[in-house]
Amino acid sequence: DAGVIQSPRHEVTEMGQEVTLRCKPISGHDYLFWYRQTMMRGLELLIYFNNNVPIDDSGMPEDRFSAKMPNASFSTLKIQPSEPRDSAVYFCASSSGTGNYEQYFGPGTRLTVT
Amino acid sequence: AQTVTQSQPEMSVQEAETVTLSCTYDTSENNYYLFWYKQPPSRQMILVIRQEAYKQQNATENRFSVNFQKAAKSFSLKISDSQLGDTAMYFCASVCSQGGSEKLVFGKGTKLTVNP
Repeated sequence: DAGVIQSPRHEVTEMGQEVTLRCKPISGHDYLFWYRQTMMRGLELLIYFNNNVPIDDSGMPEDRFSAKMPNASFSTLKIQPSEPRDSAVYFCASSSGTGNYEQYFGPGTRLTVT
Repeated sequence: AQTVTQSQPEMSVQEAETVTLSCTYDTSENNYYLFWYKQPPSRQMILVIRQEAYKQQNATENRFSVNFQKAAKSFSLKISDSQLGDTAMYFCASVCSQGGSEKLVFGKGTKLTVNP
């Protein structure tokens, strides 16, 4: 079984540019999560979906961030416009929803905004 | 709201020895799950072990075991026979299973170094 797949693995962009991060969850998993990890703030949950529907987006920092899940096998996290303070590692994770609450993480995308 | 606290920012251990990482949590709920995740330098987050709050028996996974003290709200991770590959950040996390939420709350992490 393939794990959670994220692309790109590294992204370097200039301030003001649009950034799109992509995630493919583990097949059959009903939940998908987007996290951000920084040295200062640790690991933060941004948003999560259940069966493609956003359930909790209270962690999304501001309107510049948006996330979509058009189908069960694909999700995007978009930042527009990007700012240097958005530099972080962004993780996608998925879980089966069978009640064990185990989340499986992708390899992360390291985003650098200059 | 749940909170998870890891009071040891860094720890080190000699190869083949045993080390214990501490974690405390705060919740008003009765039904919850606790986890330890490992993040090696490759930055991949790896699930190490899970404990259900309703189970009295401590979870074990090979060289990894937990000491779950529900009354004290403590959930420590013991690594036996430490190996160089255990060098990583270790995160404690919790999720409340009541109310239908799937949100994991993470601690700040403990950086473990295994020395040869």
